[in-house]
Amino acid sequence: GDSVTQMEGPVTLSEEAFLTINCTYTATGYPSLFWYVQYPGEGLQLLLKATKADDKGSNKGFEATYRKETTSFHLEKGSVQVSDSAVYFCALSEDYGQNFVFGPGTRLSVLP
Amino acid sequence: DADVTQTPRNRITKTGKRIMLECSQTKGHDRMYWYRQDPGLGLQLIYYSFDVKDINKGEISDGYSVSRQAQAKFSLSLESAIPNQTALYFCATSERGSPDTQYFGPGTRLTVL
Repeated sequence: GDSVTQMEGPVTLSEEAFLTINCTYTATGYPSLFWYVQYPGEGLQLLLKATKADDKGSNKGFEATYRKETTSFHLEKGSVQVSDSAVYFCALSEDYGQNFVFGPGTRLSVLP
Repeated sequence: DADVTQTPRNRITKTGKRIMLECSQTKGHDRMYWYRQDPGLGLQLIYYSFDVKDINKGEISDGYSVSRQAQAKFSLSLESAIPNQTALYFCATSERGSPDTQYFGPGTRLTVL
């Protein structure tokens, strides 16, 4: 079945550092790929998405590119802020949103 | 006001008790979902509903049941709670025209002793 693998956390960075959170997937078809973010005490929020190979999703300074050849969707941000501290989930969806598969999440802590 | 609300936000119960978790949404979405979140496992889909008369099992439906009382309401029941159902439960919605974007409630933390 489909699956999503993320780098293990927690990830701790200083403010203004560069962020990469790795995500790779296995899927039988051509899924859409997502990054969701969960701030403390809240539900998940969609951060960005990409629906086909070579698409780049971006939002709030975060970017991720759909790499079909490496089955990856790594999340990057050039300069993190304390307010970016959260848990980040990579996810995929086949069947046009009928069934999502989430990765285990990566906790990011940004120190001032 | 939040678009997707869940009640209760926290619940502690004992083994064997019946528990109902409720989800309401004001987004007007057709599709609703129940997930559980366990540390290190991400989210796992319990049940999903594409409309009031269309309810489907997810990957971990055993021990759970659901009811879609109206387009805006989707309840999750644990008929006889057991300790390994201790988890964080999330409700989510999506709209028919954009099903790959889900909107999550704040979650219900359930502890079964």
